[in-house]
Amino acid sequence: DQQVKQNSPSLSVQEGRISILNCDYTNSMFDYFLWYKKYPAEGPTFLISISSIKDKNEDGRFTVFLNKSAKHLSLHIVPSQPGDSAVYFCAASYSNAGKSTFGDGTTLTVKP
Amino acid sequence: DTAVSQTPKYLVTQMGNDKSIKCEQNLGHDTMYWYKQDSKKFLKIMFSYNNKELIINETVPNRFSPKSPDKAHLNLHINSLELGDSAVYFCASSYGQTKNIQYFGAGTRLSVL
Repeated sequence: DQQVKQNSPSLSVQEGRISILNCDYTNSMFDYFLWYKKYPAEGPTFLISISSIKDKNEDGRFTVFLNKSAKHLSLHIVPSQPGDSAVYFCAASYSNAGKSTFGDGTTLTVKP
Repeated sequence: DTAVSQTPKYLVTQMGNDKSIKCEQNLGHDTMYWYKQDSKKFLKIMFSYNNKELIINETVPNRFSPKSPDKAHLNLHINSLELGDSAVYFCASSYGQTKNIQYFGAGTRLSVL
């Protein structure tokens, strides 16, 4: 049962433009959502998170939006930079238990 | 200084062998995890230890046995390796009130021939 889905395996954008990565979940018990970024041959690195009591969280060029009714979250990167090229994983968890369920990732390519 | 380090980075072995992967974190975290990333790229949690106590134990064959000698180390021992065990194994750690934010090692790519 795939509770967290990233339906776009890849995304390509031009440098300076907006990148929008999407994630859907099915378990309404999830109350905390995270985005991780992963470069080849490295482990995932935490990027940004959002609690279910909020609908938006911003950190510099990165903004995460949460739509609880649609069970959907998105990550916006503005402006996109070539160094943002990586695999992005969304993850969901509940009760601060540390047990995160991950999506299968979206590969972002930012072209100069 | 690497925050979460795993050894070895690559491991190639024959079916039926027993192998171990080691993980150490120098972040002062109290919780450590093992994840498996299979060919479909999903990261699935296997185990979690908090202060040396097992707190998450997902549906994993009992050929996999984690061991935490102290809260800075979490090792994974795998007995009687099978072809399906081939994957990338990631160790991670987290702390206290922010357990959901985890810091990952670079991964160990295990290939069972």
